Amino acid sequence: ILNVEQSPQSLHVQEGDSTNFTCSFPSSNFYALHWYRWETAKSPEALFVMTLNGDEKKKGRISATLNTKEGYSYLYIKGSQPEDSATYLCAFHFGNEKLTFGTGTRLTIIP
Amino acid sequence: GAVVSQHPSRVICKSGTSVKIECRSLDFQATTMFWYRQFPKQSLMLMATSNEGSKATYEQGVEKDKFLINHASLTLSTLTVTSAHPEDSSFYICSAARDRNTGELFFGEGSRLTVL
Repeated sequence: ILNVEQSPQSLHVQEGDSTNFTCSFPSSNFYALHWYRWETAKSPEALFVMTLNGDEKKKGRISATLNTKEGYSYLYIKGSQPEDSATYLCAFHFGNEKLTFGTGTRLTIIP
Repeated sequence: GAVVSQHPSRVICKSGTSVKIECRSLDFQATTMFWYRQFPKQSLMLMATSNEGSKATYEQGVEKDKFLINHASLTLSTLTVTSAHPEDSSFYICSAARDRNTGELFFGEGSRLTVL
């Protein structure tokens, strides 16, 4: 059974502050690590697909890093804005098209 | 971008009835779609992989006779919860991958099923 864990489960951050959270996953049989952003009442939306150890990807104020040897990825949000409030999911992909999801980090930005 | 549409978004039904949920890829063809279920405070759990023109592949512990999947076209997969019971109440969400190399998924909006 694959274990994909995310921490913290929930997080409250003051608007303008930066924040980060973690996804840990099995370090063997790695193919890719996905990050999704899921706003309430909307569909989960892909942020990043990361495949290489040491990879760092960026989209606006959001960035992610990947360490496949130790089995973790960090998601960073710089200068949080109210629209960043969402649940952030990571998913482990070991190459057979199936994704195993973590339980998510629920982020609330306090204006 | 790619869009996957799912409906109904909410359904309430009586115990013993069957409920059908549709998942459509609106601007790309999806030979494979995935059905997930999420119970409160838990992660999205893959139920089954829907394959166009062939039988679905079910994950361990998911009853194929209970959760009927039909993928008759390249843009439509349906999940039918047969003889629903209160324990089937959950959030069901479908997804499809436009690029099978990256595996990046495009999700529907999800369906909240409540069985009375």
